[in-house]
Amino acid sequence: AQSVAQPEDQVNVAEGNPLTVKCTYSVSGNPYLFWYVQYPNRGLQFLLKYITGDNLVKGSYGFEAEFNKSQTSFHLKKPSALVSDSALYFCAVRVDTGFQKLVFGTGTRLLVSP
Amino acid sequence: NAGVTQTPKFQVLKTGQSMTLQCAQDMNHEYMSWYRQDPGMGLRLIHYSVGAGITDQGEVPNGYNVSRSTTEDFPLRLLSAAPSQTSVYFCASSPGDRLKHEQYFGPGTRLTVT
Repeated sequence: AQSVAQPEDQVNVAEGNPLTVKCTYSVSGNPYLFWYVQYPNRGLQFLLKYITGDNLVKGSYGFEAEFNKSQTSFHLKKPSALVSDSALYFCAVRVDTGFQKLVFGTGTRLLVSP
Repeated sequence: NAGVTQTPKFQVLKTGQSMTLQCAQDMNHEYMSWYRQDPGMGLRLIHYSVGAGITDQGEVPNGYNVSRSTTEDFPLRLLSAAPSQTSVYFCASSPGDRLKHEQYFGPGTRLTVT
């Protein structure tokens, strides 16, 4: 089945340290991959996407993600975490079954401590 | 632009009641979708539409109906509410019909079925 997996329910990091939120995917063909963030009691907000081109994608709020085809991964990274980055992060992949649709991972909660 | 709007924000239903969750967007987006968010399960696609008059089922369509008579509106109907439909519902829209671009999410509707 075409899907994404986020293996960590929660990631804890201290402010100022680098952070990584992991995502692996399973799709046929070339993947379209997305990261979204959700703050409490809010809808999801787009962070970045990989369609084609450079494997390192830069997005909003200083986040970036590295596409690795051999490892089928699309990990989200930030060089220096902020307390305000604490939120729920979702990885998603576009699936093509006639029409296109997004399949989301189960989400990873990021907690950045002061 | 108001973006994606959803009404109501909160709703409590009794088992067996019916209701419609409203979603509207003012960005002239062709693609619209409905998701439900449940703890530990991420976002699951209920129904989606690639343009006026065109809808399709997502991962969890049972118990829900949709229609798309205009580009702007994409209502979600619960025919006979069940406690299993207690969830937070998000509507989203995206330009084009091939999901090359990010989705814009509404603020959500929190539904409780007793």
